Amino acid sequence: EAGVVQSPRYKIIEKKQPVAFWCNPISGHNTLYWYLQNLGQGPELLIRYENEEAVDDSQLPKDRFSAERLKGVDSTLKIQPAELGDSAVYLCASSPGQGAFSYEQYFGPGTRLTVT
Amino acid sequence: AQRVTQPEKLLSVFKGAPVELKCNYSYSGSPELFWYVQYSRQRLQLLLRHISRESIKGFTADLNKGETSFHLKKPFAQEEDSAMYYCALSGLSGGYQKVTFGTGTKLQVIP
Repeated sequence: EAGVVQSPRYKIIEKKQPVAFWCNPISGHNTLYWYLQNLGQGPELLIRYENEEAVDDSQLPKDRFSAERLKGVDSTLKIQPAELGDSAVYLCASSPGQGAFSYEQYFGPGTRLTVT
Repeated sequence: AQRVTQPEKLLSVFKGAPVELKCNYSYSGSPELFWYVQYSRQRLQLLLRHISRESIKGFTADLNKGETSFHLKKPFAQEEDSAMYYCALSGLSGGYQKVTFGTGTKLQVIP
C-alpha cells in the first residue's frame, strides 16, 4: 500500500503564475482533506471532501484557490494566481468513513511550494 | 471556536528522563483529541487518540476536561522519540466537523 500519494513533491514558481497539486488518497477512503502548513505551524484545513462533495470549504480562499474531486477519488488543488505568501507545504490526507465520525487521518508527504 | 494550544515550541530532555508534552484546548462540547507525530523526513502520522485509551510506543495521554488538557507523557525518553508532535482536536464548529491542529512541539532527546 503506497499510502496517500501527492505530486509534485516540490514546486518553485514565480508570483502570479498558476500552480496545481494532485492527491490520490488511500483506496476506499471516502474523506479527503487539503491542508496548508506554514513553517513553524500546524496544518490548517483548506477543504474537506466526502466522496465528491466539498462538505467544508469555509477556510479556502476562493478568490485564488480552487479544488475538485470529480469522481470521488483523486483530487486537485489549484492556486491562480500564486502570491509570495502562498509559499508553504500543502498536505493531503484521507480517512475512512465520513460524517460526524472522527477517524484517523492518513497524510501524504506534502508538496512544498516556493513562490518567488 | 475551537482552539489547540501547545505552549512549547521545543522541548529538550535527556535520554531516560520523563517527557511531558503539553496540550490545552478550547471547545464547548465533548472533544475528540489526538496526538500526531512527524519523524524526520517522514509524513505526519497518528500516534494516539484519547478514546482508545491505549499506550503507543510507551506514550500515554489522558484527557482532563477540568483543566481542558491532553498532555502527552512518557516515563523514559528514547532517542528515537525525537520528532515533531502535534496535538489535534476534532469537534463540531459552525455545523462542520473540524479538525484543529496545534502549532506543534519539537521533542529533542539528548543522548
